[in-house]
Amino acid sequence: GENVEQHPSTLSVQEGDSAVIKCTYSDSASNYFPWYKQELGKRPQLIIDIRSNVGEKKDQRIAVTLNKTAKHFSLHITETQPEDSAVYFCAAPSYTNAGKSTFGDGTTLTVKP
Amino acid sequence: GAGVSQSPSNKVTEKGKDVELRCDPISGHTALYWYRQSLGQGLEFLIYFQGNSAPDKSGLPSDRFSAERTGGSVSTLTIQRTQQEDSAVYLCASSFRQGMNYGYTFGSGTRLTVV
Repeated sequence: GENVEQHPSTLSVQEGDSAVIKCTYSDSASNYFPWYKQELGKRPQLIIDIRSNVGEKKDQRIAVTLNKTAKHFSLHITETQPEDSAVYFCAAPSYTNAGKSTFGDGTTLTVKP
Repeated sequence: GAGVSQSPSNKVTEKGKDVELRCDPISGHTALYWYRQSLGQGLEFLIYFQGNSAPDKSGLPSDRFSAERTGGSVSTLTIQRTQQEDSAVYLCASSFRQGMNYGYTFGSGTRLTVV
């Protein structure tokens, strides 16, 4: 099945700085890579995703980049704000597991004002 | 419905009792997933459904856990003879279909506390 590794597990940045979270995956057939944000006490919510036919996707201050050759994808948050503080999860579907997504262990991002 | 609904939102039960957790997915979503999340931890996969069938039950922690889905819609997760280690938030998610290209919409979860 799919193996997804996410780094770092915790990340602390100053407001206005950038944050980068990286995930690696093992199934070369994976072709869809979503990122979820979970605020404290809330449900995980899909914030951005990328498909394997593109290398980068942006949505305002967040972007995701994909390197299929190296089998890794990253979430980039620019001009961080305190409301970006949350746990972020990456995920990747596994072709060998009927497309079920495997989630990374999560990154706790803290943005200090 | 407009979102994924889970009930109850909170459940406190005595050790040894059975509990039923309910998930109502987004209308038209054929795939449904159950995850468990302990405090400060990640998402532990339990089971998923495509329609009414459950192709992957590999995440169920023990035979005390079971789930069913009827009519391709509502799903219930049943935990028999609850133990304190079952205390966690149980999250349900649905997606348009099972496959390689669909993101998940999560419900707000059921916080289960076994005392």
